Amino acid sequence: DTEVTQTPKHLVMGMTNKKSLKCEQHMGHRAMYWYKQKAKKPPELMFVYSYEKLSINESVPSRFSPECPNSSLLNLHLHALQPEDSALYLCASSPAGGEWEKLFFGSGTQLSVL
Amino acid sequence: RKEVEQDPGPFNVPEGATVAFNCTYSNSASQSFFWYRQDCRKEPKLLMSVYSSGNEDGRFTAQLNRASQYISLLIRDSKLSDSATYLCVVNILGYGQNFVFGPGTRLSVLP
Repeated sequence: DTEVTQTPKHLVMGMTNKKSLKCEQHMGHRAMYWYKQKAKKPPELMFVYSYEKLSINESVPSRFSPECPNSSLLNLHLHALQPEDSALYLCASSPAGGEWEKLFFGSGTQLSVL
Repeated sequence: RKEVEQDPGPFNVPEGATVAFNCTYSNSASQSFFWYRQDCRKEPKLLMSVYSSGNEDGRFTAQLNRASQYISLLIRDSKLSDSATYLCVVNILGYGQNFVFGPGTRLSVLP
């Protein structure tokens, strides 16, 4: 079982809805990530938080808003999404402490935007 | 040119076959290298890190050639359960944590 927990596992939302994806890890990792993955494509990096500060923002539309309340939690707030935003959203964490960083993924949220 | 490229696949092989995956990366500042495995509709899971000296874990062998910027994964005696997409991942240090994924190679092991 993954040690990175994501909720919900599935989400269906309309284009006018506001929803949030949640991610939690208790491995003491100091870097947390959001990735977006479309079918038959690799994960695409959206955001990286390192020591609770946003360190990478891959020019993601403002309808996606990340939040890192503390070192264990990462949220992704969704508002006014488009159907093309339907995808698997993956949270990941890594220790942020050395050369051989390894990514640990949560099981993902399958998002459908109607 | 993409930062990380892999064999396009898919690879369809019989049980017991040996299969090799290739990966190349373009950024010479890349620091660490990994193979991840991803089953359909599941999250990627770390298969193995790839060290300069090469490393082996049971039926799996990974090699790194920094001069050629090339990474490989060899699977011997393939099992039905090896069917998955194999993702080559490169960590480019420099600003924050930046893991770059290759497009993946789909493997189907057939009975």
